[in-house]
Amino acid sequence: ETGVTQSPTHLIKTRGQQVTLRCSSQSGHNTVSWYQQALGQGPQFIFQYYREEENGRGNFPPRFSGLQFPNYSSELNVNALELDDSALYLCASSLSGKETQYFGPGTRLLVL
Amino acid sequence: AQSVTQLDSHVSVSEGTPVLLRCNYSSSYSPSLFWYVQHPNKGLQLLLKYTSAATLVKGINGFEAEFKKSETSFHLTKPSAHMSDAAEYFCVVSDAMNYGGATNKLIFGTGTLLAVQP
Repeated sequence: ETGVTQSPTHLIKTRGQQVTLRCSSQSGHNTVSWYQQALGQGPQFIFQYYREEENGRGNFPPRFSGLQFPNYSSELNVNALELDDSALYLCASSLSGKETQYFGPGTRLLVL
Repeated sequence: AQSVTQLDSHVSVSEGTPVLLRCNYSSSYSPSLFWYVQHPNKGLQLLLKYTSAATLVKGINGFEAEFKKSETSFHLTKPSAHMSDAAEYFCVVSDAMNYGGATNKLIFGTGTLLAVQP
């Protein structure tokens, strides 16, 4: 059984740029959630994807967007990067109807 | 709204002594609660979960947690700390989203950093 994988592991961007982060869900899981973890804080829910549609969203602006593909993998896109977007971005997969989410190792984004 | 409060931001114990990490929850219904652990520069690993079955939940690596409704608490314990337990621990509650067909979102506490002294 393959766990949740994310790429890249680290990324450096400058303010105003755009970034795409990728996530492959655990085998058999059809739901992907994204979280942002700023330094020294707990993860905050960004949004969730199920059946290739956004299924719920946290308190994040529209410049945070995502996609889910037929194989259940997912992308997180952030436009017009701001310094405060610097964080660890975590992807979690789960099976619809089940509450337990399994996390990937994260992508650490630094915005200069 | 669902929420969790971790009562200690830092806990330091000696190797071989008991560990207690405290968490209180707020929920309008019977909650599903989790503890996750995050080692430095790593993702989150599920330690254990409570989903309204037995109130004493056993997890991995010798950790356990007890759900106490009267105290709205879900404290994490381990009888004997090991150096490898040094990490950040998050108490988490599952929050239902009113959308059909998929799972809930997770709401995290602010974390407790556990240090284990030799």
